[in-house]
Amino acid sequence: ETGVTQTPRHLVMGMTNKKSLKCEQHLGHNAMYWYKQSAKKPLELMFVYSLEERVENNSVPSRFSPECPNSSHLFLHLHTLQPEDSALYLCASSHNPGGGGELFFGEGSRLTVL
Amino acid sequence: QKEVEQDPGPLSVPEGAIVSLNCTYSNSAFQYFMWYRQYSRKGPELLMYTYSSGNKEDGRFTAQVDKSSKYISLFIRDSQPSDSATYLCAMSYDTGRRALTFGSGTRLQVQP
Repeated sequence: ETGVTQTPRHLVMGMTNKKSLKCEQHLGHNAMYWYKQSAKKPLELMFVYSLEERVENNSVPSRFSPECPNSSHLFLHLHTLQPEDSALYLCASSHNPGGGGELFFGEGSRLTVL
Repeated sequence: QKEVEQDPGPLSVPEGAIVSLNCTYSNSAFQYFMWYRQYSRKGPELLMYTYSSGNKEDGRFTAQVDKSSKYISLFIRDSQPSDSATYLCAMSYDTGRRALTFGSGTRLQVQP
């Protein structure tokens, strides 16, 4: 495996379910990110982790709960979501969490909330 | 006002045309400017990267930054059907822990 891999690629869940998105990077990077991509809207930064420490949390509702157990893995735990949370969730990594660095994205997890 | 404005398109051009994609932004603190390309059902991938003002060329692609006008452009020469994708502009501050600020993306279709 190379690059950034995300699982599952597609997820359908009800509003009362609990599920998790997983991201793994094989690039030796120190920073990992969750972005939300909705149709015709800019990518929205959700969380940034640097060396397993959360360094940014962009006012994301508590129904989204990130976890970074080590510098290669990132999870997004989902519970009691709303239909408006349906979107493509993109994981990315970079060498460091500063401005100006290239982000390497995974292919995303397409989430549908019924 | 959005921090970064980008026309969503779609933009449809014939093969071989010159394509111009643009973004405007409001925050003069942005120093790094990038263009990402996103194919359908894929994640974005970095296409061009520039620092501050000026031009940068890479094959058929030219990125242009005009900080005085807060305006960036991506030109694609001799466009190919394989260039059909969504193009996202992105920018960031000089230092700190801020990640990238993205435009909403322009969908480009190159007709064979």
